[in-house]
Amino acid sequence: KAGVTQTPRYLIKTRGQQVTLSCSPISGHRSVSWYQQTPGQGLQFLFEYFSETQRNKGNFPGRFSGRQFSNSRSEMNVSTLELGDSALYLCASSPATGFGNTIYFGEGSWLTVV
Amino acid sequence: SQQGEEDPQALSIQEGENATMNCSYKTSINNLQWYRQNSGRGLVHLILIRSNEREKHSGRLRVTLDTSKKSSSLLITASRAADTASYFCATPDTGRRALTFGSGTRLQVQP
Repeated sequence: KAGVTQTPRYLIKTRGQQVTLSCSPISGHRSVSWYQQTPGQGLQFLFEYFSETQRNKGNFPGRFSGRQFSNSRSEMNVSTLELGDSALYLCASSPATGFGNTIYFGEGSWLTVV
Repeated sequence: SQQGEEDPQALSIQEGENATMNCSYKTSINNLQWYRQNSGRGLVHLILIRSNEREKHSGRLRVTLDTSKKSSSLLITASRAADTASYFCATPDTGRRALTFGSGTRLQVQP
C-alpha cells in the first residue's frame, strides 16, 4: 500500500506570493491533517479534513487554508507569503477522524520563502 | 502549547548501547504515539500505546506508559547508527482534534 504522498518536496517562493501544497493520503484513509514544523515552534497543527469538511483548525492566520476533495486528496494554500512561513509542511492521514487510529505522515514539503 | 515534552533533548551513545527517551504530558489521554524523524524527512510512526496498556514492544523498541505519572518512555535496545534521528511523542489534543508533539529527543548513535 502506498504511503502518504506530498508534492512538491521542495519549493522556493518570494514574499507576497502564494503557494499550494498537495497531499494524497493512504488509500482508504478519509482523514487528512496538516502540520507545520519549524526549528523555533516545533510541530504545530494547522487543520484537519474529513469527508471534505474541515473538522478543526489550529492557531494560524487566515492566510493558511485548505480543502479536501471527494477522493480524500487534500491541498493547503498559503497566501501572501511571509519569511516566517518557511517551514516543513507535513501531511498526515488516518482511516477515520479522532485518535483511536495510528496517524501516518508523508515526507513533507519544504517551503523556503525569500 | 505543547502537551508532551521529551527528555533528554539530546542523547549521544555508542552502537550497541541502549537508548532511553522519556515523554511527559499534562492532561489525560486515551493513547500516545511515538514517531521517528530522520533529518529533513517526514515522521515515521513507531508505536501507538493505549491508556489501558502499560508496555508494548515492536522489534528493538519497548514503550511504557504510566498514566498515573503522565509519562511514557521509549527504549531502543542494541542501537545502530541507522537509529540516529529525532524522536517525538505525540498525544491527542481532544479539544482541537489534533496531535500535540513535544520538542523531541535528538539521538546520535556513534558507529
